[in-house]
Amino acid sequence: EIVLTQSPGTLSLSPGERATLSCRASQSVSSSYLAWYQQKPGQAPRLLIYGASSRAAGIPDRFSGSGSGTDFTLTISRLEPEDFAVYYCQQYGSSPWAFGQGTKVEIK
Amino acid sequence: QVQLQESGPGLVKPSETLSLTCTVSGASISRYCWNCIRQPPGKGLEWIGYSYYNGSTNYNPSLKSRVTISVDTSKNQFSLKLNSVTAADTAVYYCARSIPWFGSMDVWGQGTTVTVSS
Repeated sequence: EIVLTQSPGTLSLSPGERATLSCRASQSVSSSYLAWYQQKPGQAPRLLIYGASSRAAGIPDRFSGSGSGTDFTLTISRLEPEDFAVYYCQQYGSSPWAFGQGTKVEIK
Repeated sequence: QVQLQESGPGLVKPSETLSLTCTVSGASISRYCWNCIRQPPGKGLEWIGYSYYNGSTNYNPSLKSRVTISVDTSKNQFSLKLNSVTAADTAVYYCARSIPWFGSMDVWGQGTTVTVSS
């Protein structure tokens, strides 16, 4: 089973700053089947990125994903107030699908 | 617009079976995999498994002995059954869609809270 480890656990930033979130896999993720989700309190997760670097429909271009193999990154170029949330990575290339433990992006 | 709506009892007794139904609107249930995910209070996400309309399934080994996910094409619904529940199964349960066979989950229901307690 692939285990995903996200870092940092919490990121304290101000609006307008750049956010860089990391997701490291215990084994290579097949065909870059790596997704990122955003979750706000009391809401369901929302797909941001799939295939490691493709933005889902309706996702602003300030969100970008990169990486391959075991190391992946989600970058938010300039934080907007609505971007403060918890972010999860997820691999879907090897069963069982698995999520990272999450990174909370909070207002500094 | 595709929508998923979870329904089920909010309270289940220990050792009983948790049953949830997800109703799909705006999309054919026959073209996608239908996933169940859960989130214990204050914790992260756990993928439970998925079912395809033809009966193919894929379950998380950690829950496989207790889980059944099935699709009812006549009702455009799919259902989750988790038996022998304990307090550790208390969580928000989500339904989500993915593309066969390696797809991210692009549409989610709003989630339903299930508490296991006597």
